[in-house]
Amino acid sequence: DAGITQSPRHKVTETGTPVTLRCHQTENHRYMYWYRQDPGHGLRLIHYSYGVKDTDKGEVSDGYSVSRSKTEDFLLTLESATSSQTSVYFCAISEVLGGPLHFGNGTRLTVT
Amino acid sequence: AQTVTQSQPEMSVQEAETVTLSCTYDTSESDYYLFWYKQPPSRQMILVIRQEAYKQQNATENRFSVNFQKAAKSFSLKISDSQLGDAAMYFCAYRGRLTGANSKLTFGKGITLSVRP
Repeated sequence: DAGITQSPRHKVTETGTPVTLRCHQTENHRYMYWYRQDPGHGLRLIHYSYGVKDTDKGEVSDGYSVSRSKTEDFLLTLESATSSQTSVYFCAISEVLGGPLHFGNGTRLTVT
Repeated sequence: AQTVTQSQPEMSVQEAETVTLSCTYDTSESDYYLFWYKQPPSRQMILVIRQEAYKQQNATENRFSVNFQKAAKSFSLKISDSQLGDAAMYFCAYRGRLTGANSKLTFGKGITLSVRP
């Protein structure tokens, strides 16, 4: 399995609070991605990174920000969590363009 | 923008039988990659099989094979000799090859496969 660790595994938070999810990889892969998974929607891309400090928005980026200060870490921040952000969040990495994505085990976030 | 469509939300198969999961996609690109991922109840996303669009030969991985019809933009997954452990949600996904730094994976909504003993 690719060395991808997501933390925390589960989190419950209140509406309006900031939340940061962490993705850590030990593969030295260039590309990193954050997806959210919701019933009936499959996986949708939030943000992605193609290098240190190089990030861009995906299709559902509103309400989320990311940072990548090191190759191995990709952080996803919800500045002010809302109930619509209750979801399962997946981090993924890829070594090369066109290569498959390898996924972390996901973080289940509940916003009450 | 690329789209991936999995029109069947659920399917069921008898153990040891064969089942085919359908996927269609829309793209204006000529070179790209297609994938099937499996997500068991553990939530882990597992790569099942990968197809490169420039290859005419259909990809095969043990009991899993694809029927890739480029002109029809169809990419179905065939599971032979179905096993109880095949029960999972399956996602079809597309990734462009010539999109540079913007290369990302676009997923269908998934199909839930159940296997009857």
